[in-house]
Amino acid sequence: DAGVTQSPTHLIKTRGQQVTLRCSPKSGHDTVSWYQQALGQGPQFIFQYYEEEERQRGNFPDRFSGHQFPNYSSELNVNALLLGDSALYLCASSVGQGSVETQYFGPGTRLLVL
Amino acid sequence: AQSVSQHNHHVILSEAASLELGCNYSYGGTVNLFWYVQYPGQHLQLLLKYFSGDPLVKGIKGFEAEFIKSKFSFNLRKPSVQWSDTAEYFCAVLLSGGYNKLIFGAGTRLAVHP
Repeated sequence: DAGVTQSPTHLIKTRGQQVTLRCSPKSGHDTVSWYQQALGQGPQFIFQYYEEEERQRGNFPDRFSGHQFPNYSSELNVNALLLGDSALYLCASSVGQGSVETQYFGPGTRLLVL
Repeated sequence: AQSVSQHNHHVILSEAASLELGCNYSYGGTVNLFWYVQYPGQHLQLLLKYFSGDPLVKGIKGFEAEFIKSKFSFNLRKPSVQWSDTAEYFCAVLLSGGYNKLIFGAGTRLAVHP
């Protein structure tokens, strides 16, 4: 039973570029959440997708957008990259029914913006 | 705004010492509480969780946590740590009532010396 997978593992971009990160949820899970973990900090919630729609959003600008596909996998897109976007981006999956969920995390994508 | 505070950023212990990591949250409603652990080079893993019922919850690897509602706390404990417990520990809160995002503390980095 595969857990949450993410690709790529590492990425280097320059300021102003755009990036797409990918996530496949754990088998049986239909909800995907994205988090940003800056160095030395805890993960911060970006947004959550359920039934191919954004269900909840954190305090991140519109440069951060996402998508969920019919197979429940998800993408995180970041436009006009800034140096401050350098971080570990984590994907977490869960089951969407009900309001109490346990989220399971993938290994993350480490993004470096130069 | 809701927040989670972890009192110690770095903790250094010798093997067999007892461990207690503090976690306090600021939210007056019903909460669901988690401790996640991130071992060196690995992804975030669920250590234990509290949804309801007995406020003393037991997790993997001999860890336990106690939810004290009056103190808004969810401290993590282990009676005797091992070198393999060296990791970063994150406390997180999931707000119920339609909110589906985890709010994380900044993390506590634990180093256990043999």
